[in-house]
Amino acid sequence: DAKTTQPPSMDCAEGRAANLPCNHSTISGNEYVYWYRQIHSQGPQYIIHGLKNNETNEMASLIITEDRKSSTLILPHATLRDTAVYYCIAGGGTYGGSQGNLIFGKGTKLSVKP
Amino acid sequence: DAGVTQSPTHLIKTRGQHVTLRCSPISGHKSVSWYQQVLGQGPQFIFQYYEKEERGRGNFPDRFSARQFPNYSSELNVNALLLGDSALYLCASSLRQATNEKLFFGSGTQLSVL
Repeated sequence: DAKTTQPPSMDCAEGRAANLPCNHSTISGNEYVYWYRQIHSQGPQYIIHGLKNNETNEMASLIITEDRKSSTLILPHATLRDTAVYYCIAGGGTYGGSQGNLIFGKGTKLSVKP
Repeated sequence: DAGVTQSPTHLIKTRGQHVTLRCSPISGHKSVSWYQQVLGQGPQFIFQYYEKEERGRGNFPDRFSARQFPNYSSELNVNALLLGDSALYLCASSLRQATNEKLFFGSGTQLSVL
């Protein structure tokens, strides 16, 4: 799995968009970009994933650069409940691979402030 | 529908003892993965099981073992506990072993080794 680099922490004002960057310059052609978040004392929660195209769901949008070396997770209207550690993961594309053996880094601690 | 359930939620053991952690996946999910999360770090992959067979193993010593039962529930066993085994142990399930599957995590078992 490719290594990812994320800022250790970020702040965001409540109601504003939160843009969380991730670098994955060694990502291979068949590896996906996944985002999970972990609220204190809970297990990680799936947010979104993509391969090449930008993706959007009810939680967030994922913007992947054309060269796939970086991506941005966008929470369009951050709330206090979005305060969590956000993990960007690149992987799961190897033969027989799956999301079951993803490599998590330290993530970005997002603090949403009133 | 019930999510991924893990038991016990908390456990205290002493060095050298053995521990068994249990996980029930979401109904219909056939893949179970185990992760270890040390304080301040992201989850680290231990094992993945699919259809009762081991499909992946992380960089953990042989003291760690697991199995999956016919009902797709799973156990993680750790022998000869060390202080460094103190961590949050997370179980995750998914429908299949595939690159495009979401992982659903339980809330974990907090293991303290004294």
